[in-house]
Amino acid sequence: NAGVTQTPKFQVLKTGQSMTLQCAQDMNHEYMSWYRQDPGMGLRLIHYSVGAGITDQGEVPNGYNVSRSTTEDFPLRLLSAAPSQTSVYFCASVASGQSNTEAFFGQGTRLTVV
Amino acid sequence: GENVEQHPSTLSVQEGDSAVIKCTYSDSASNYFPWYKQELGKRPQLIIDIRSNVGEKKDQRIAVTLNKTAKHFSLHITETQPEDSAVYFCAASIGAGGTSYGKLTFGQGTILTVHP
Repeated sequence: NAGVTQTPKFQVLKTGQSMTLQCAQDMNHEYMSWYRQDPGMGLRLIHYSVGAGITDQGEVPNGYNVSRSTTEDFPLRLLSAAPSQTSVYFCASVASGQSNTEAFFGQGTRLTVV
Repeated sequence: GENVEQHPSTLSVQEGDSAVIKCTYSDSASNYFPWYKQELGKRPQLIIDIRSNVGEKKDQRIAVTLNKTAKHFSLHITETQPEDSAVYFCAASIGAGGTSYGKLTFGQGTILTVHP
C-alpha cells in the first residue's frame, strides 16, 4: 500500500491563480481531511469528508473548495490564490472503524503564493 | 469547538535526559489523544496515542499520561537521543464512535532539540 499520496510536493503560484492539490489514499478509509501548517500554529483543519459525496468545513475553510467523488480521492482547490495561503498542506485519512482512529498523513505540499 | 494548548514551544535537553511536553484541552467530550513526531520537511507520524479510558500508556522510551479531570495530557521521553530531535504535536479528537469523523485539533507544537 502506498498510504496517502499528495501531489505536487512543491508549487509556486501568482496571486489570483487557481490550482488543485491532489490527495489519494489506497487504504479504503472513509474519513479524509485537509490541514494547513503554519509556523507556531500547528496544523489547522481546512475541510474534511466523511465519505464519497459528503464534505464539510473545518476551522479555516475560506478560499478553499473540496469535493469527494470517490473514496480514494479528496482534492483541495484554491480558487484565487492569496499570499496568506502560503503554507504547507497535509492531507490525512482515517479509518471509520471503532477500534482505529489513527490519522495517516500524506507527505505534504509546500505552496508559495507570490 | 475544541482548543488544545501545548507547552513548551521549545525544549532543549542533553542526551540521556528526560523530556516532558504538556497539553491541555477544552472539550470534555474528547476521548482520543495522539502524539505526532514531525522531522524537518517530513509528514507528521504517530508515535503514541491514548484513549480516555486509560490513564497511562508506555512504549519503550515513550509514555503518555492523561488526567481527564484536569483535561491535560503529557508526553514523556526518557533517555533522549539526538534522533529524538524533531517537532512534537499533541492533538485531541472525539474518536471511537464519537462525532469528530477523524478530525484532529492540534496543539501548536514543541521543537525538541537533544544535544549530544
